[in-house]
Amino acid sequence: AQKVTQAQTEISVVEKEDVTLDCVYETRDTTYYLFWYKQPPSGELVFLIRRNSFDEQNEISGRYSWNFQKSTSSFNFTITASQVVDSAVYFCALSEARTGGFKTIFGAGTRLFVKA
Amino acid sequence: DVKVTQSSRYLVKRTGEKVFLECVQDMDHENMFWYRQDPGLGLRLIYFSYDVKMKEKGDIPEGYSVSREKKERFSLILESASTNQTSMYLCASGLTGTNEKLFFGSGTQLSVL
Repeated sequence: AQKVTQAQTEISVVEKEDVTLDCVYETRDTTYYLFWYKQPPSGELVFLIRRNSFDEQNEISGRYSWNFQKSTSSFNFTITASQVVDSAVYFCALSEARTGGFKTIFGAGTRLFVKA
Repeated sequence: DVKVTQSSRYLVKRTGEKVFLECVQDMDHENMFWYRQDPGLGLRLIYFSYDVKMKEKGDIPEGYSVSREKKERFSLILESASTNQTSMYLCASGLTGTNEKLFFGSGTQLSVL
């Protein structure tokens, strides 16, 4: 069975601090996809990144970076020099290839507060 | 700009009422989904549809049904609303068979009194 665990319920940081959001997943499939989404107060989840299970290269996009480690089944997300606009709920998600993308499983989410 | 539009942002209904939540996407996506979001539980899949008139149960379909008469529109129906269906409901759409990203609407916060 597939499962996504985001152990951090809430994180509070001061602007310009770096913050890492943890994500641990479980799957029996060898081919799968991992995602991060951001949900700002407006409610709409916004896609941030998608990685497949064969690509363990870390990714950097501006202040955002992702660390994918199959050995520990983790896909952690780091925001460097956080800003108030980063305040949101962040979801990690997993989709197994065998489901064809029909069953994306989401973690419980981590609420990030960035204080000015 | 691509969009998934949910008809209501906030909805208050009484126990036993029949409730319709509407979702429209303008991206010509084959797949559409209904999730509910609850604190501490994340998003849970209620139903999805991969084509017009086709539907499949997700992980928590009890108490819900869906309708997809047109490709762009996917409706979630609560036949007889109950208080435990008070939740945030999120509609999403996506391309078929590729495990691609999902596009979400802004959600409908439903309160059943």
